[in-house]
Amino acid sequence: NAGVTQTPKFRILKIGQSMTLQCTQDMNHNYMYWYRQDPGMGLKLIYYSVGAGITDKGEVPNGYNVSRSTTEDFPLRLELAAPSQTSVYFCASSQLAGGPQFFGPGTRLTVL
Amino acid sequence: GENVEQHPSTLSVQEGDSAVIKCTYSDSASNYFPWYKQELGKRPQLIIDIRSNVGEKKDQRIAVTLNKTAKHFSLHITETQPEDSAVYFCAAGGVRGGADGLTFGKGTHLIIQP
Repeated sequence: NAGVTQTPKFRILKIGQSMTLQCTQDMNHNYMYWYRQDPGMGLKLIYYSVGAGITDKGEVPNGYNVSRSTTEDFPLRLELAAPSQTSVYFCASSQLAGGPQFFGPGTRLTVL
Repeated sequence: GENVEQHPSTLSVQEGDSAVIKCTYSDSASNYFPWYKQELGKRPQLIIDIRSNVGEKKDQRIAVTLNKTAKHFSLHITETQPEDSAVYFCAAGGVRGGADGLTFGKGTHLIIQP
């Protein structure tokens, strides 16, 4: 099993551009999450999904959108990139609600 | 919503000594408390977790204790080794069934001095 994979590893965007961060898991987990990690800070929840077709907002959802058309994939969309979205983005998945979460390798995004 | 405070932000210990990191949480409904280790440029890795129906859990040199009444939990690492140097995060979750993710502390940078 590859676990949780994310692409790209790094990306530089200009203000106002859009992009999609990809996340895929091969563990058949229903629960998937997007977090962002700013320097020297903990992780903050952006969006989460409890299964295909079901998504909900986390603590910091503004400026982002998600979709979940399959169990495996949970892409994160940035529509109008802003410097405040410069961060490292981690996707995670879990077999159980309120259970261990396993993280992908992250995407380091810089918005200039 | 849930708020998790973590202390200290930096901890330097001599190799072989013990290290203790402490966290407090605000929502008494939280019932799941994992600890993650993150090395520079890497993903967070789960090292140990505890549920609210358990007071203590050990795994070799690592232990976690939970005090539900005081709403705090701690990570204990004994006989520290150079490879223990990393940033450690505590988290709380499980509210409303737990599907809605974890709330993380800001992290502790653990430095093991040779």
